[in-house]
Amino acid sequence: KQEVTQIPAALSVPEGENLVLNCSFTDSAIYNLQWFRQDPGKGLTSLLLIQSSQREQTSGRLNASLDKSSGRSTLYIAASQPGDSATYLCAVCRGGADGLTFGKGTHLIIQP
Amino acid sequence: DTAVSQTPKYLVTQMGNDKSIKCEQNLGHDTMYWYKQDSKKFLKIMFSYNNKELIINETVPNRFSPKSPDKAHLNLHINSLELGDSAVYFCASSQGLAGMDEQFFGPGTRLTVL
Repeated sequence: KQEVTQIPAALSVPEGENLVLNCSFTDSAIYNLQWFRQDPGKGLTSLLLIQSSQREQTSGRLNASLDKSSGRSTLYIAASQPGDSATYLCAVCRGGADGLTFGKGTHLIIQP
Repeated sequence: DTAVSQTPKYLVTQMGNDKSIKCEQNLGHDTMYWYKQDSKKFLKIMFSYNNKELIINETVPNRFSPKSPDKAHLNLHINSLELGDSAVYFCASSQGLAGMDEQFFGPGTRLTVL
């Protein structure tokens, strides 16, 4: 059974810092990995999707890496801003008929 | 221009009632899903539909039944509501088969069972 773990569970940093959020998964036979952000009381916003054949994806100040063999992914946020404050969720999929398996998220606070 | 929409946003009801949550996507996607986010904020897949056919059905009680009148809609019907059903329910969609493509989520429906 696939399990996804996110570390840290919570993180608070001053504005402007670069930071890394970690995600690990127990079954390396995944089809892809997706990072989301969730704002309080809101739905999920897709940030980045990495296919299993890819090593990384970039979007603006965000960079996500994937090491499938070791079951790890990181989300790098450059020059953090207060608007980045949210819960960040990592999710993996084995493909085919499966949905996403989510981690419990990292609650991020960027202090102005 | 909302991509994935859900109604209602909030639903408060008594134990034992039957209720439905509606979901619509205007992205032209082939696959739609329902997820449940519990009180600890943990998200878990419940169902997915591809071209109007159920392709996965996680171990959820049979009081929950997804209904898809067409490719753009996947409604969630819940019979005999229980206190433990209180949660936020999210609808999502993706272009291709489950897991192959990016999934887009609706805003969620917060269900409270009294």
